[in-house]
Amino acid sequence: DAKTTQPTSMDCAEGRAANLPCNHSTISGNEYVYWYRQIHSQGPQYIIHGLKNNETNEMASLIITEDRKSSTLILPHATLRDTAVYYCIVPFGNRDDKIIFGKGTRLHILP
Amino acid sequence: DAGVTQSPTHLIKTRGQQVTLRCSPKSGHDTVSWYQQALGQGPQFIFQYYEEEERQRGNFPDRFSGHQFPNYSSELNVNALLLGDSALYLCASSLGDGEQFFGPGTRLTVL
Repeated sequence: DAKTTQPTSMDCAEGRAANLPCNHSTISGNEYVYWYRQIHSQGPQYIIHGLKNNETNEMASLIITEDRKSSTLILPHATLRDTAVYYCIVPFGNRDDKIIFGKGTRLHILP
Repeated sequence: DAGVTQSPTHLIKTRGQQVTLRCSPKSGHDTVSWYQQALGQGPQFIFQYYEEEERQRGNFPDRFSGHQFPNYSSELNVNALLLGDSALYLCASSLGDGEQFFGPGTRLTVL
């Protein structure tokens, strides 16, 4: 079973920041949090991952709470092309080698 | 860099037949994982290959088998196809502890 829970769907206005929450209350100290997204009919696309510290890359920022039981993916300036299903994943063990996907959050970017 | 490629893109089979799907990993990657994604669901882990051996396996019957070749490419074989095997089959490659990169998938329809 997936080790994360996410809202089923969210809306965000184009140009605004999209904040996608994820709960992973059973996460272990050495487990990473990964985010992927899947645009309709395409394979999932890696976005970002983190362990303890907040992370930022060209696509998004990842904010992880101090107790590591939840995190938030932030898309700073959402565009229509960001409409997708976003998956928050905690792979088993230390390696990203057995990804268990839940149902993710369907993000709708509104024009 | 071509990224992860999969063939064919679409396939139609009838119940009881056998199918082989192919995956070429991203250049430099040595690990290949396969996932099944039913309509409206998140991808489900089938198995992972590393050094030409199956390293991990999800909750799939023995009808699902695979192979990895010395050049790291991989095949997924499904025997005695059932209607419920209709899905998008995704291949993902990785190197060591790195993130997984997904291919575009093969859409299998079983009639």
